[in-house]
Amino acid sequence: NAGVTQTPKFQVLKTGQSMTLQCAQDMNHEYMSWYRQDPGMGLRLIHYSVGAGITDQGEVPNGYNVSRSTTEDFPLRLLSAAPSQTSVYFCASSRPGTSAGNEQFFGPGTRLTVL
Amino acid sequence: AQRVTQPEKLLSVFKGAPVELKCNYSYSGSPELFWYVQYSRQRLQLLLRHISRESIKGFTADLNKGETSFHLKKPFAQEEDSAMYYCALLSGGYNKLIFGAGTRLAVHP
Repeated sequence: NAGVTQTPKFQVLKTGQSMTLQCAQDMNHEYMSWYRQDPGMGLRLIHYSVGAGITDQGEVPNGYNVSRSTTEDFPLRLLSAAPSQTSVYFCASSRPGTSAGNEQFFGPGTRLTVL
Repeated sequence: AQRVTQPEKLLSVFKGAPVELKCNYSYSGSPELFWYVQYSRQRLQLLLRHISRESIKGFTADLNKGETSFHLKKPFAQEEDSAMYYCALLSGGYNKLIFGAGTRLAVHP
């Protein structure tokens, strides 16, 4: 199993540009989440999904959109990038009710810089 | 409000010294707490969770509901323990996590 994969690893955008951060998992996990990691602030939840077709907002959703058309994929879209969105983005997945319980499995991260 | 506080940004110790990374939480109800670790150039991974009451890589953490704390301890630090450590609280349903700001542990030879 590849686990949770994210692409790209690095990205530089100009203010106002749009892009999609890709996340995929091959563990058949129902739950998937996007977090951003900023120095001194830890990880903060952006959006999450509890299954295909079901998404909801986290702590810091403004400026981001998500969709979940399949169990495997959970892309994060930036419609109009702003410098405040410069961060490291992590995707995570989990499957409650299994031996792993509420453990979340993280992807390697995408480092995004908005100029 | 639900919150996780890690008061130390950096903890610097020598190899063989005891380590305690502090974590305090604010939560109304019965909390479920975790420690995640991020080694250099690696992804975030679960170190331990309080409901398992386990010891991983020599680390232990005890939930103290009276002090609302979940401090991570290790009696003898090793250089390979150098990493970023995050305390996290399960918030409501759907496996949403609230993270602390993180503590960077640096173990010197």
